[in-house]
Amino acid sequence: NAGVTQTPKFRVLKTGQSMTLLCAQDMNHEYMYWYRQDPGMGLRLIHYSVGEGTTAKGEVPDGYNVSRLKKQNFLLGLESAAPSQTSVYFCASSPGTVPDTQYFGPGTRLTVL
Amino acid sequence: RKEVEQDPGPFNVPEGATVAFNCTYSNSASQSFFWYRQDCRKEPKLLMSVYSSGNEDGRFTAQLNRASQYISLLIRDSKLSDSATYLCVVDTGRRALTFGSGTRLQVQP
Repeated sequence: NAGVTQTPKFRVLKTGQSMTLLCAQDMNHEYMYWYRQDPGMGLRLIHYSVGEGTTAKGEVPDGYNVSRLKKQNFLLGLESAAPSQTSVYFCASSPGTVPDTQYFGPGTRLTVL
Repeated sequence: RKEVEQDPGPFNVPEGATVAFNCTYSNSASQSFFWYRQDCRKEPKLLMSVYSSGNEDGRFTAQLNRASQYISLLIRDSKLSDSATYLCVVDTGRRALTFGSGTRLQVQP
């Protein structure tokens, strides 16, 4: 039981390049989330999904797109990377119960030059 | 005003000390409350949920004051391994959680 996994772990991009971050969970959770964490800012929600085929915007969605084609996977895309998107990205999943505990992946450290 | 506010610290305490953190939240409709722990450069992990009646897990005690909209975490008999950042987390009422920026604890030998 791997829990929540993220690929890649590290990535360096040039401004304007695109990339996709993959999150996978094997806990059969309904909900999945993408956060970014910047120094002194805490975790900020980018997008989330409450089920296969659904997505919704979080607090800071601009510059990102997501897709949830399969229940176990949640993809985060950057179409044209900017230096302001340099951050640590965490994926999380939760069963959707109350209280709803979120389980996090190990994170992806992204640097945009 | 931030939805969840915490003192960033750091709190520097000796081993064996008792330390308490508070957190305030702004959404009076919030129903679920948590404390997460985050080690340096690692993912957040659930420490404990916080219930209205207060709850304890070993050396950790969490309290909720709905009237004043604050949550507390008490750590007794601090260990070196308790050194971490503690995140206060509150549900938004919109199927998502809001995370505080965290309080850093450093336990010293």
